[in-house]
Amino acid sequence: DQQVKQNSPSLSVQEGRISILNCDYTNSMFDYFLWYKKYPAEGPTFLISISSIKDKNEDGRFTVFLNKSAKHLSLHIVPSQPGDSAVYFCAARNTGTASKLTFGTGTRLQVTL
Amino acid sequence: DSGVTQTPKHLITATGQRVTLRCSPRSGDLSVYWYQQSLDQGLQFLIQYYNGEERAKGNILERFSAQQFPDLHSELNLSSLELGDSALYFCASSALGSMNTEAFFGQGTRLTVV
Repeated sequence: DQQVKQNSPSLSVQEGRISILNCDYTNSMFDYFLWYKKYPAEGPTFLISISSIKDKNEDGRFTVFLNKSAKHLSLHIVPSQPGDSAVYFCAARNTGTASKLTFGTGTRLQVTL
Repeated sequence: DSGVTQTPKHLITATGQRVTLRCSPRSGDLSVYWYQQSLDQGLQFLIQYYNGEERAKGNILERFSAQQFPDLHSELNLSSLELGDSALYFCASSALGSMNTEAFFGQGTRLTVV
């Protein structure tokens, strides 16, 4: 039962353009969402998060949007840079089980010159 | 460098064997979490320890066990290994008991069962 889905395994974007990574979830009990970035041979690193009481959170070039009615969130990277090339994981948590995150399968972003 | 150390980085072993993966959390962090990432899958939560006590359990097989020692390092023991256990095993740590923005992951241990 895949409660967090990232339906695009890969995405290629030109440097300077916008990257949009999507994530859908099915569990309505999720109340906190996180995005992680992972480079090869490294562990995931936290990027940005959003609480379910908000619909947008911005941090520099990274913005996460949450649409609760659609159970959908997206990560926007503007402008995209070659160093952003990595695998991006969407993760979700609910207060009742704050010990665990439920991860999507990841989207590999390639930013080309 | 996240401050979370996992050893070994790579491990190759045969089916039926037993291995131990080790995790040293960031200094001061009381919680350790173990996750498994199989090929083309997301990270799957296995188990959490908080200050030496088991706090939460996920989809951890009975052949797997873990513990957290008084110095707060943790070990994940995998026994009667099967080919399907081949995966990346990540450890994460946090100061408190929940996976929040202040949880940091180690580099992972890549286990290959042949």
